[in-house]
Amino acid sequence: KAGVTQTPRYLIKTRGQQVTLSCSPISGHRSVSWYQQTPGQGLQFLFEYFSETQRNKGNFPGRFSGRQFSNSRSEMNVSTLELGDSALYLCASSSRGRGQETQYFGPGTRLLVL
Amino acid sequence: GENVEQHPSTLSVQEGDSAVIKCTYSDSASNYFPWYKQELGKRPQLIIDIRSNVGEKKDQRIAVTLNKTAKHFSLHITETQPEDSAVYFCAARGADKLIFGTGTRLQVFP
Repeated sequence: KAGVTQTPRYLIKTRGQQVTLSCSPISGHRSVSWYQQTPGQGLQFLFEYFSETQRNKGNFPGRFSGRQFSNSRSEMNVSTLELGDSALYLCASSSRGRGQETQYFGPGTRLLVL
Repeated sequence: GENVEQHPSTLSVQEGDSAVIKCTYSDSASNYFPWYKQELGKRPQLIIDIRSNVGEKKDQRIAVTLNKTAKHFSLHITETQPEDSAVYFCAARGADKLIFGTGTRLQVFP
């Protein structure tokens, strides 16, 4: 099976702009989680989608939003970008997102906000 | 809220030595504990995981131990090699989401 893919891989934006990132999970996986990775902060959970519904949300402001389509592909959107939003954004997929399942990560989208 | 603490943040060892990374978690309902390795510029990759009904699991040079009473788990790498150099993340899953530690940067010197 093909792995988790993310597009674009790199992005440069300026403060105040908005950005949309895309994640395609492994075929058959219905759960997609998003993480923000910054140096020293590890992987911070943003949200999780399952069957087109947001099932969990982390402690991020409302500028961060997401959605999931019927084919399980997911997008996340960040509006009114701030310098502190510069990070590597990772998505991970799993079959149901529950129990003792493995999550598989995509390569990430590196966002730089100037 | 749920929290996973990971120590140390950096670890330097000589090739052939052992490395130990420790994590503690707060959610007593956690029942799944994966460890991920992230090499520079690459995605995190699962290297080993342990479930709450098991106290120890080994895979070649890597082992993980779990103490549910104390709510901590550890990663042990024996006979370290330069290619083990990476950032290692522990994680714990409770009722819903997977919570990650802040990572340990392991450097193995030849």
